[in-house]
Amino acid sequence: DAGVTQSPTHLIKTRGQQVTLRCSPKSGHDTVSWYQQALGQGPQFIFQYYEEEERQRGNFPDRFSGHQFPNYSSELNVNALLLGDSALYLCASSPGHPSEQYFGPGTRLTVT
Amino acid sequence: QKEVEQNSGPLSVPEGAIASLNCTYSDRGSQSFFWYRQYSGKSPELIMSIYSNGDKEDGRFTAQLNKASQYVSLLIRDSQPSDSATYLCAVNSGRGSTLGRLYFGRGTQLTVWP
Repeated sequence: DAGVTQSPTHLIKTRGQQVTLRCSPKSGHDTVSWYQQALGQGPQFIFQYYEEEERQRGNFPDRFSGHQFPNYSSELNVNALLLGDSALYLCASSPGHPSEQYFGPGTRLTVT
Repeated sequence: QKEVEQNSGPLSVPEGAIASLNCTYSDRGSQSFFWYRQYSGKSPELIMSIYSNGDKEDGRFTAQLNKASQYVSLLIRDSQPSDSATYLCAVNSGRGSTLGRLYFGRGTQLTVWP
């Protein structure tokens, strides 16, 4: 049984560029949440998708957007990258909500 | 603003000892509580979940919840060097517009020395 997968593993971008991160949930899970984890901090909630809709959103600017596909996989898009966007981006899936959330391996984004 | 506070540590214990990790939360209406383990450079791994007052045991791990005191703890018995990691406390408010969202503490770094 495959767990949560994310791609790419690492990414280096320049300020002002745009980036797309991808996530496939654990089999049987229909809810995907995205988190940003800065170095030395706990993960911060970005948004959550369920039934292809953004169900709720954390305190992140509109530069952060997302999408969920019919197969429950999800994308996180970040436009106009800033140096402060450098972080580990985590995708978590769960079988509905609220429920236990299982994290993927993350995407390490570095903005230079 | 819902807050989750953890002792930042670092916490250092000898092999075989009991490690005690603590967490407090601000939202009295919180319903679900989780402990994640995060090794350096890796993603968080769910190790315990607890939903009602009292203790929940799973192998060497025991989670304790006291909703009246808004307090969650994790005990690790017979600590092993492989337990050395950062432990994240996470809380789900379980209601309203924040249903399903996890609020995390900053984590407590645990080192178990041989």
